[in-house]
Formats: sequence, structure tokens, C-alpha cells
Amino acid sequence: SYVLTQPPSVSVAPRETARITCGGDNIGGKSVHWYQRKPGQAPLLFIYFDTKRPSGIPERFSGSNSGNTATLTISRVEAGDEADYLCQVWDSSRNQVVFGGGTKLTVL
Amino acid sequence: QVTLRESGPALVKPTETLTLTCTFSGFSLNTSGMCVSWFRQPPGKALEWVAIIDWDDEKYYSTSLKTRLTISKDTSKNQVVLTMANMDPVDTATYFCARRTTVMTRGAFDFWGQGTMVTVSS
Repeated sequence: SYVLTQPPSVSVAPRETARITCGGDNIGGKSVHWYQRKPGQAPLLFIYFDTKRPSGIPERFSGSNSGNTATLTISRVEAGDEADYLCQVWDSSRNQVVFGGGTKLTVL
Repeated sequence: QVTLRESGPALVKPTETLTLTCTFSGFSLNTSGMCVSWFRQPPGKALEWVAIIDWDDEKYYSTSLKTRLTISKDTSKNQVVLTMANMDPVDTATYFCARRTTVMTRGAFDFWGQGTMVTVSS
């Protein structure tokens, strides 16, 4: 089965830049989506199709995807960005939805 | 305005069959590219995909759960129903439904319900 690997945690000071990676075999050939997850809440779509932001998502959030790594970049991090971030792809070879294990972003 | 809401029993007994309903509004599952999916998250564990159904009635299931699952849609009621047979305490989880659009968001799940907690216990 297709596996997505995320670091369990990333810590960053306010106003710095956070980068959260999502590794997978030739993930650059897939469409990657990113979700923010806060305790007790449903996932919220933050980035779709590698780089696109849904309406209402701040420009501070951006995505990239190439080779074996997709990256969610959060610029000028704020305390309110503290959450879990999950990457997701569709594994078309097996018709399965695949999530990464999630990365907990801590704002120091 | 797109909304999704999960409903079903809060408590089921081991070996029983769970039936969950996702009632949605703001879109039609008759529209090309629209899908509705189910997920679950056991307490303290990761989010897990369960099943999906699309506008063309294509259905896909999690490999690890597929022998126990059935997903169906009633487009006249704007509902998607998930049944999971032979429930076990390890199936205790919050169950979510979400919309997936293959056109607008290239396969992302753009709207989610708030989830419904299901406990499996005798």
C-alpha cells in the first residue's frame, strides 16, 4: 500500500516560517492535499492540488510538491496556527484514500 | 452553503451491524465529480479512511475493512448510508463524512461533518 510519512512534530517561534513535509514514493506525480486539525474539530482543507488555497485560507499558507516530498509552508507563524496538519493523496492504483500520520505544529 | 451531518446510534453491541447516515445539503450527488466519503478516528489514534461513493455510483472501500462495509446513496434524500457489520470494541471511534470533488478541488475533501461518536460495548 502507498505510505505517506510526516514528521510527528515541528516547533517554530512566532513570526518564523514552519515547513511540514510529507514523503511518499514519487508523490510529485500525485495531487496532494493538506488539512488542519484542531482538537475536537473536523479536518479543515487548507491546501488542495499541491498549491491551491481554498477561499478564506490565509496567503501565509502555501504548498509545493516535487519528487518524493510535498511540503506545507506556513510563513509568519501565529499562535493560532498551532494544530495538527495532515497530508492526503488518492492512491489510484488501489483506489484508496491515504493520509499521512499527521504533524503537530507547536508555536513556541 | 454546503453542509454535512452524520447521524446514527451512539452505542452498539459487539457483533451488531452499525448503520450511519450522512445527510448533506448544498450540492447534489447526481453532479459529475461529486463524492461522499466516510472516515473514522478512534480515541487517541489517527484519522482513517473508510469508504467512498461517487456520482456514478462507483464505490471503494478501505482494504482493511471492505469485507464488513456497504456504502450506498439516496440522491432523492441527499443521503449516504454506511453499514459496518460485526462491530467490535476496536471500532469505537468518531465517524465523519465529507464531500470530495474531483473537479473543483481535484480530489480534496472540502467540506466535513462534525462527526458522530460510536461506542461498541456490551
